[in-house]
Amino acid sequence: EVQLVESGGGLVQPGGSLRLSCVASGFNFNTYWMSWVRQAPGKGLEWVANIKHDGSATYYVDSVKGRFTISRDNTKNSLYLQLNSLRAEDTAVYYCATEEWNRFDFWGQGDLVTVSS
Amino acid sequence: QSALSQPASVSGSPGQSITISCTGTSSDVGGYDFVSWYQQHPGEAPRLMIYEVTKRPSGVSNRFSGSKSGNTASLTISGLQTEDEAVYYCGSKRNTNPFRVFGGGTKLTVL
Repeated sequence: EVQLVESGGGLVQPGGSLRLSCVASGFNFNTYWMSWVRQAPGKGLEWVANIKHDGSATYYVDSVKGRFTISRDNTKNSLYLQLNSLRAEDTAVYYCATEEWNRFDFWGQGDLVTVSS
Repeated sequence: QSALSQPASVSGSPGQSITISCTGTSSDVGGYDFVSWYQQHPGEAPRLMIYEVTKRPSGVSNRFSGSKSGNTASLTISGLQTEDEAVYYCGSKRNTNPFRVFGGGTKLTVL
C-alpha cells in the first residue's frame, strides 16, 4: 500500500522558515518524480514544485522561486520542502504527491502551514 | 484566479449524469493529452479519478469518464451516487511556468 506522510508544518511568523518532510512507503520511491501541491484555506489546488526521481532537476512556481527549495533523499525514501521568507499568502495545507506523466497518482494527508504574527 | 476555468458548482439527482467542464488554452489543455481529474471530499486529500484525458486508475468506477475537445476537457459522472458529492478539480501540464496547473474546482451536489 502506498503511503505518504507529511510532517513539519505549524505556525510561523512572516519572514520565518519551516522544513516540511514527506516519508514514502509501499512503492519504489527512487523511480518517481515527486511534487508539492498546496491548498490555501477554502481555496483550490496549486502546484508548488517538483523534483526528478534522482534529484537532478527541480522546478518551481514563480511565486516561490528563490524562497522555497525542494529536495529528496532516496536512501531515506524522503521528500523535503524548505520554506524561507514566508508570507501570509503561503498559508496552506501542503501535500506531497507522486508524479508520473504529469499526473498526481498518490497524495499524502497534508500538513498545515500557517504564517501569521 | 486559477489557470483553468471550471464551473463553481453543479448538481444532479441520484441516478442522473452530470458533466463538468474545464477550459484552458493551447498551452495546457489543448496542447497535451495530459489532462487529469481529482476528487476531494471535505477534510481529505485529493484522489486521482481520470488521467491522460480518458484513462481510469485501478479502483475507480467506470461511472467516471473523461473527454476533450480543443481547449476544453470534460468529466462525466453517470449513475450519480450520494458518495460522489465532492469537489472536483481538473489538472493539466502546461508549457510555461507554472508547469502544472489546476482548475478552481467544481462542487458537485447530489440532491
